[in-house]
Amino acid sequence: GAVVSQHPSRVICKSGTSVKIECRSLDFQATTMFWYRQFPKQSLMLMATSNEGSKATYEQGVEKDKFLINHASLTLSTLTVTSAHPEDSSFYICSARDQGGTSGRYEQYFGPGTRLTVT
Amino acid sequence: DAKTTQPTSMDCAEGRAANLPCNHSTISGNEYVYWYRQIHSQGPQYIIHGLKNNETNEMASLIITEDRKSSTLILPHATLRDTAVYYCIVRVAFTSYDKVIFGPGTSLSVIP
Repeated sequence: GAVVSQHPSRVICKSGTSVKIECRSLDFQATTMFWYRQFPKQSLMLMATSNEGSKATYEQGVEKDKFLINHASLTLSTLTVTSAHPEDSSFYICSARDQGGTSGRYEQYFGPGTRLTVT
Repeated sequence: DAKTTQPTSMDCAEGRAANLPCNHSTISGNEYVYWYRQIHSQGPQYIIHGLKNNETNEMASLIITEDRKSSTLILPHATLRDTAVYYCIVRVAFTSYDKVIFGPGTSLSVIP
């Protein structure tokens, strides 16, 4: 089955620093990738949709200058949390959608998540 | 996308069948019913999906009512490892503009 990886799995950073999270589709090409955020005891919230080679589309209320998304290739998207603060501490999950292939399916596959703690 | 309604939480005895209901009364004809689950501190895991017919795979069965306004996910023999949050999602799958939007889900606790 299709596999999506994230790196790192957990990261601790100091307030005011930036941290980058990588999302890779390992055995398929993903024209579109998604980033979600999940606070404790809450559901996943879609932050943004990124398409390879173009600017990401952010959901309402998500600061695009704070959460920088780069989707430079068909297998890699990165989320950079700039000037992180304790309130940015969360579980960040990426998802990659395959291109349909011969089956015509545009299925969305999820990564294992990255736990960010800002001290 | 159509919204879904699920119970907030459910308990199930280990070894028994877990039946998780979902209401999606405003579902459109081209929308699929998908189920995912999320075990604590992990990414969502796909379980099963269907359009009209009942579906079964190695993980679960999906029963969709004839009017498609509700469905039930059945885990035939629940184990402790099935303790998770289960999300019922209605989406126009298999399109380039589709995206998965999560609701609150049902927190299933499997009890020894």
